[in-house]
Amino acid sequence: AQKITQTQPGMFVQEKEAVTLDCTYDTSDQSYGLFWYKQPSSGEMIFLIYQGSYDEQNATEGRYSLNFQKARKSANLVISASQLGDSAMYFCAILPDTDKLIFGTGTRLQVFP
Amino acid sequence: GAVVSQHPSWVICKSGTSVKIECRSLDFQATTMFWYRQFPKQSLMLMATSNEGSKATYEQGVEKDKFLINHASLTLSTLTVTSAHPEDSSFYICSARDGDRVTDTQYFGPGTRLTVL
Repeated sequence: AQKITQTQPGMFVQEKEAVTLDCTYDTSDQSYGLFWYKQPSSGEMIFLIYQGSYDEQNATEGRYSLNFQKARKSANLVISASQLGDSAMYFCAILPDTDKLIFGTGTRLQVFP
Repeated sequence: GAVVSQHPSWVICKSGTSVKIECRSLDFQATTMFWYRQFPKQSLMLMATSNEGSKATYEQGVEKDKFLINHASLTLSTLTVTSAHPEDSSFYICSARDGDRVTDTQYFGPGTRLTVL
């Protein structure tokens, strides 16, 4: 069975600081993808970053980077230089061979001035 | 990035009526689209996979006769909630996969908030 675990229901970070959102996963598939999405209060799911299980380099997209540790089955999201607009729910998701995205329970990030 | 739209953004309807929600990929063609449901403060739960030109694949526990899905073109999938009841009130969100590989990114629409009175 596939499973995503996000252990932090909520996180607070001061503007301009970096923050790490944790994500661990469980899968027996050899090939899979890991995604992070942002969901602001408007509800839209915004794609942030993708990491393939065979990618040797950690994925980076602007201020977002993914700390991928395959042996530990973790795919933490690092947001550098936080901005007030980063306040939102963040979901980690795994895409196994079944072709279905499985989401974690999410982490609510609040950035304060 | 790829853009997916949904219409309507929110809808309030009376119990017993049917509601149609549209999901469109605006700048790419999507052979595969997905429909999710999200309850307040919870994660997204996959309801069904919509394939262009074929029948949708429903997840266990989702009534296919209640949630009708039609994927008539490469840019449009519709979800019709038939004979809606208050327990169907939820946030419905679709995604469209940009590409035919399983690992291609799914881009999400802005969601539709349904309230059934």
